[in-house]
Amino acid sequence: ETGVTQTPRHLVMGMTNKKSLKCEQHLGHNAMYWYKQSAKKPLELMFVYSLEERVENNSVPSRFSPECPNSSHLFLHLHTLQPEDSALYLCASSQGGRGYSGNTIYFGEGSWLTVV
Amino acid sequence: QQQVKQSPQSLIVQKGGISIINCAYENTAFDYFPWYQQFPGKGPALLIAIRPDVSEKKEGRFTISFNKSAKQFSLHIMDSQPGDSATYFCAAETPYSGAGSYQLTFGKGTKLSVIP
Repeated sequence: ETGVTQTPRHLVMGMTNKKSLKCEQHLGHNAMYWYKQSAKKPLELMFVYSLEERVENNSVPSRFSPECPNSSHLFLHLHTLQPEDSALYLCASSQGGRGYSGNTIYFGEGSWLTVV
Repeated sequence: QQQVKQSPQSLIVQKGGISIINCAYENTAFDYFPWYQQFPGKGPALLIAIRPDVSEKKEGRFTISFNKSAKQFSLHIMDSQPGDSATYFCAAETPYSGAGSYQLTFGKGTKLSVIP
């Protein structure tokens, strides 16, 4: 148990569906992340929120829409996805320190998404 | 452009042997180099990490060697055990300026199998 909980663990959706992935961290961290993990590719950073403000959007298609209502919760809203979006979506959190690298980033167990 | 190159892609080691995984980076702004271990069905978990001002860090059977001038670092697993069988990711981190969060750039991963 890493303190980062993701739901659902598995999701199958059609290309016209709208669904959401949820992440909750119980670590008191102030930064949260969405990563995408697919076969034969490195882990890809999608979005970063620090103190509930989005600080990174790594050229992610608009069919992925993040939401961070507070420092403990992070959502990834999905709509009109493509089959190539099928992947493991990982949420993570960290306790950010200004100008300092090295705080551990804690990952959840991920949500397996299959787009049919 | 992949900023962290990891090799080999897969590795088979006999129980008791030494597992060695190598990574190289290009961006000199990286200032923290963690290794993550991922078991099937789980998210990545921090294994060991090093800063560029030291050349080696050892924690139990796990050692990171770091060569700043060559921009290379490696993970050595001594006395490898079947329970070490997992996928290992090297990563390099930069802080976001003023945002209090961190960006990890991952290698593609090495699937380690330790056979009895």
